[in-house]
Amino acid sequence: DIVMTQSPATLSVSPGETVTLSCRTSQSIGSDVAWYKQKPGQAPRLLIYAASSRVMGIPARFSGSGSASDFTLTITSLQSEDYAVYFCQQYNRWPLTFGGGTKVEIK
Amino acid sequence: EGQLLESGGGLVQPGGSLRLSCAASGFAFVNDGMSWVRQSPGRGLEWISFISGRGDRTHYADSVNGRFTISKDNFKYTVDLQMSGLRADDTAVYYCAKTYDYVSGGYSDIWGQGTLVTVSS
Repeated sequence: DIVMTQSPATLSVSPGETVTLSCRTSQSIGSDVAWYKQKPGQAPRLLIYAASSRVMGIPARFSGSGSASDFTLTITSLQSEDYAVYFCQQYNRWPLTFGGGTKVEIK
Repeated sequence: EGQLLESGGGLVQPGGSLRLSCAASGFAFVNDGMSWVRQSPGRGLEWISFISGRGDRTHYADSVNGRFTISKDNFKYTVDLQMSGLRADDTAVYYCAKTYDYVSGGYSDIWGQGTLVTVSS
């Protein structure tokens, strides 16, 4: 199985700052990565697919980058609604696997 | 906008069975792959099963293979997960999700609100 490793586990950030979340994979997977945001008590919400394609309706402050085994989700000018847990997921091969998540919390 | 609504969760004893159902609306469904993903505090998000649009292909995580069965009814717009041989570590919130169907997998753009399954005596 492809192991997804997210870092850091927690980020303490002030509103307006920029955050960079990392996701590394145990095997090269091209650009077959998606990013999700999850708030407490809610289902995950798709933000990014194909490593860098933003879902319609997702603000432009969210951007994804990377390829092969190293991926990044960047959130610029952090807003109050952005405090959440973010997960990466690979879909290059079965089984689909998720990273352990990065929690972005208020500093 | 598409919606998914899960049902069927609850408390079940170890070794027991449970059937989850997910009702879809607002999208084509017939041509769409569907997954079940679960989440427990100790294991994060775990994809457990996928079924193709026509229901002719399925995939399972090793952790549930042989115990869980996914099915899809393109007339009723539902996808079910039949779970048997339940164990304590199957305790989780179970989400159904519309999943893009590429050769080797896909990402999920619509999720239900989840249904809680608790396996305990």
